[in-house]
Amino acid sequence: DIQMTQSPSSLSASVGDRVTITCRASQRISSYLNWYQQKPGKAPKLLIYVISNLQSGVPSRFSGRTSGTDFTLTISSLQPEDSATYYCQQTYTPPYTFGQGTKLEIK
Amino acid sequence: QVQLVESGGDVVQPGRSLRLSCEASGFTFSNYVMHWVRQAPGKGLEWAAIISYDGSDKYYADSVRGRFTISRDNLKNTLYLQMNSLTAEDTAVYYCVKDGNIVLVPGARGMDVWGQGTTVTVSS
Repeated sequence: DIQMTQSPSSLSASVGDRVTITCRASQRISSYLNWYQQKPGKAPKLLIYVISNLQSGVPSRFSGRTSGTDFTLTISSLQPEDSATYYCQQTYTPPYTFGQGTKLEIK
Repeated sequence: QVQLVESGGDVVQPGRSLRLSCEASGFTFSNYVMHWVRQAPGKGLEWAAIISYDGSDKYYADSVRGRFTISRDNLKNTLYLQMNSLTAEDTAVYYCVKDGNIVLVPGARGMDVWGQGTTVTVSS
């Protein structure tokens, strides 16, 4: 199975900050990397699919990219409502594994 | 609007069985790949199973393979998860999830619609 490793596991940042979360796959996943946001007590929400495609309705401050083996989710200007846990997921081959999550808190 | 509503969650004893259901509305259910994803209390997301649009192809996580069966009834717009030989490690919120794609592998559109989840507790 493909293992997905996110870093950091948690972070705290201020409103307006630029925040980056990284995800690394244990083997090749081509471009099949997605990002989700989950707020406490709620179902996850798709933010970005296939590295960099913004899901409809998601604010443009969210973006995704890759540098080869690493995939990144960036929030360009952090907002209070971005406090949540973020997960990456590979959908290259089943089982479609998730990263362990990154908990983002607003200072 | 597009909606997924899970049901069937309950408190069950170890070794027993349970069937979850997910009723879909607001989209052409028979066109899309569907998933079950679970989340144990205080833990991260765990992908559990996937089924093709017509039910002919299925894959499972190692942790549930051989015990869980995913199925669908496209006439009833309903997804199912039959769970057998339950253990305490199966305690979780179970989410029914729509894929954005009609192709099973690879998943090129992400998992774009999630239900509210149904809670399964396995305890004696």
